[in-house]
Amino acid sequence: AQSVTQLGSHVSVSEGALVLLRCNYSSSVPPYLFWYVQYPNQGLQLLLKYTSAATLVKGINGFEAEFKKSETSFHLTKPSAHMSDAAEYFCAVSDRGGNKLVFGAGTILRVKS
Amino acid sequence: KAGVTQTPRYLIKTRGQQVTLSCSPISGHRSVSWYQQTPGQGLQFLFEYFSETQRNKGNFPGRFSGRQFSNSRSEMNVSTLELGDSALYLCASSLGGTDGLDTQYFGPGTRLTVL
Repeated sequence: AQSVTQLGSHVSVSEGALVLLRCNYSSSVPPYLFWYVQYPNQGLQLLLKYTSAATLVKGINGFEAEFKKSETSFHLTKPSAHMSDAAEYFCAVSDRGGNKLVFGAGTILRVKS
Repeated sequence: KAGVTQTPRYLIKTRGQQVTLSCSPISGHRSVSWYQQTPGQGLQFLFEYFSETQRNKGNFPGRFSGRQFSNSRSEMNVSTLELGDSALYLCASSLGGTDGLDTQYFGPGTRLTVL
């Protein structure tokens, strides 16, 4: 079964610092991977997705993620954190046999001024 | 284009009651999926409907059921509510492909509290 593991339930960075949120996947086939963000009392918003077209994926709000097969990773990065980036971030893998997402446990990002 | 809408946004019920949640997908989307989000279990897939048929199902008891109408709108029902059913229930819509590439667009969720 496919799964994802997010390392670190909480990450704290200073405004302007690099954001790095970690995600490792487990899949018997090349996976399709997604990063979603959830702001308080809201649903999930897609940041970016990996569909095997390119290993470096650029998303919205300055975020990007790099697919590394050798490390089974799909870490999310942003060069400079903004206060508005404070939210919970979820990595997910898609079930190729259907339309089902399997989510990681989530990482809460705190941005300090 | 309007996003995914869910009604109601908040709901309070007591144990043993039943509840129905509603989801209207993005226009043109034929697949609707439901997820349960709790602090302890995280985000878990409940089921997916496509063309009025359940296409995928997660590991939830039979008290959780759903349906989809011809206009792609979907409802989810939970019978005999338990305290542990308190959660944020998220609906997501997509075009309906089965290759795993579809982007799912999420609604704001329905916050269910069971007392």
